[in-house]
Amino acid sequence: DAGVIQSPRHEVTEMGQEVTLRCKPISGHDYLFWYRQTMMRGLELLIYFNNNVPIDDSGMPEDRFSAKMPNASFSTLKIQPSEPRDSAVYFCASRPTGQGNTEAFFGQGTRLTVV
Amino acid sequence: QKEVEQDPGPLSVPEGAIVSLNCTYSNSAFQYFMWYRQYSRKGPELLMYTYSSGNKEDGRFTAQVDKSSKYISLFIRDSQPSDSATYLCAMGTKTSYDKVIFGPGTSLSVIP
Repeated sequence: DAGVIQSPRHEVTEMGQEVTLRCKPISGHDYLFWYRQTMMRGLELLIYFNNNVPIDDSGMPEDRFSAKMPNASFSTLKIQPSEPRDSAVYFCASRPTGQGNTEAFFGQGTRLTVV
Repeated sequence: QKEVEQDPGPLSVPEGAIVSLNCTYSNSAFQYFMWYRQYSRKGPELLMYTYSSGNKEDGRFTAQVDKSSKYISLFIRDSQPSDSATYLCAMGTKTSYDKVIFGPGTSLSVIP
């Protein structure tokens, strides 16, 4: 398996533009997580899905952020409109179901810069 | 007070040294504890996982949990340059099983 695949790896956009980040989880994993990592705040959980259903989006900072998972093999995180403070590395991670199964497998991340 | 605190470093040690990385936490409901390693410009990867107080060893790595003090540690013996990375502690509760909280990470450099 190729692991969790994120695209694009890097994104530079102007303030006010819409940004869409994409994620393909590992096949067979029931959980999908979106994280944001910054120097100031570390790794923060934004939202996670179980079987394509959003379970907890309390970490989504504002209404400008939205996430979808239309099927088991694809998820998007959208920021509209983007702002310079959204600049961060965004990680997608997936994990299989199972008691005690806590290992989340992370993608390479998308480095977003909003200018 | 943040739920999980970790000294950000950077920590620089000579090759072969014993490294001690630590986290403290405030939520007594945390019951399982993990250490992730993150190389530069990569995603974090799980290094160690423990579910109870005490020690767990895996090769050169030992994870230690002291629930009474709300303190966890990761020890690296015979450190290697390839251990240079950021180490993030992470923890979760039984009830909020899916919501793992990460520490901010400690940057480690092992100098040859």
